Amino acid sequence: TQLLEQSPQFLSIQEGENLTVYCNSSSVFSSLQWYRQEPGEGPVLLVTVVTGGEVKKLKRLTFQFGDARKDSSLHITAAQPGDTGLYLCAGLRGGGNNRKLIWGLGTSLAVNP
Amino acid sequence: SQTIHQWPATLVQPVGSPLSLECTVEGTSNPNLYWYRQAAGRGLQLLFYSVGIGQISSEVPQNLSASRPQDRQFILSSKKLLLSDSGFYLCAWSVRRGAEAFFGQGTRLTVV
Repeated sequence: TQLLEQSPQFLSIQEGENLTVYCNSSSVFSSLQWYRQEPGEGPVLLVTVVTGGEVKKLKRLTFQFGDARKDSSLHITAAQPGDTGLYLCAGLRGGGNNRKLIWGLGTSLAVNP
Repeated sequence: SQTIHQWPATLVQPVGSPLSLECTVEGTSNPNLYWYRQAAGRGLQLLFYSVGIGQISSEVPQNLSASRPQDRQFILSSKKLLLSDSGFYLCAWSVRRGAEAFFGQGTRLTVV
């Protein structure tokens, strides 16, 4: 059972289009992290959202944490080829020594010039 | 600033041979260290986690082992590789468990 569902699994769009990818769960997370990974490299942290309903912007990327802290979305405006990569979300559960990061399977995005 | 080094970048090993992947972190003390495996460009599976020297937690039973001989050194090993050990291995560190993770460049292991 996958605790964090990411959708869509794959997305191929043209440069300039907008897109939204989703990270959903039936569980509550204390925070949620988004990473981007390029082929052959390690993931790189983009943002952490902590508060329910929180919205964070990183240039053309907008991240939102659901009010109930069970889901999150990433919206990219006017996508560029440099946005191509695997987008991973990871939710933090538990406290103290029981803290655990739960990873989604990722959304693979291809932005075509 | 903190940096993480992982090597080698690629490795082709025959079935039954041993494995040693090394990861070192610079610019921080007492990091939490992780080894992940990633299959086919998809999600990350946590293999091992360490909060300090000699302290290793294994998340899944497998043919691999990990060691932390020094504060900022984390090693992934196997005595005899299996075909199923092929994959992309990632080392990472964080200031505490579950905090934002910083990853190495990864090692692409192919067992033939």
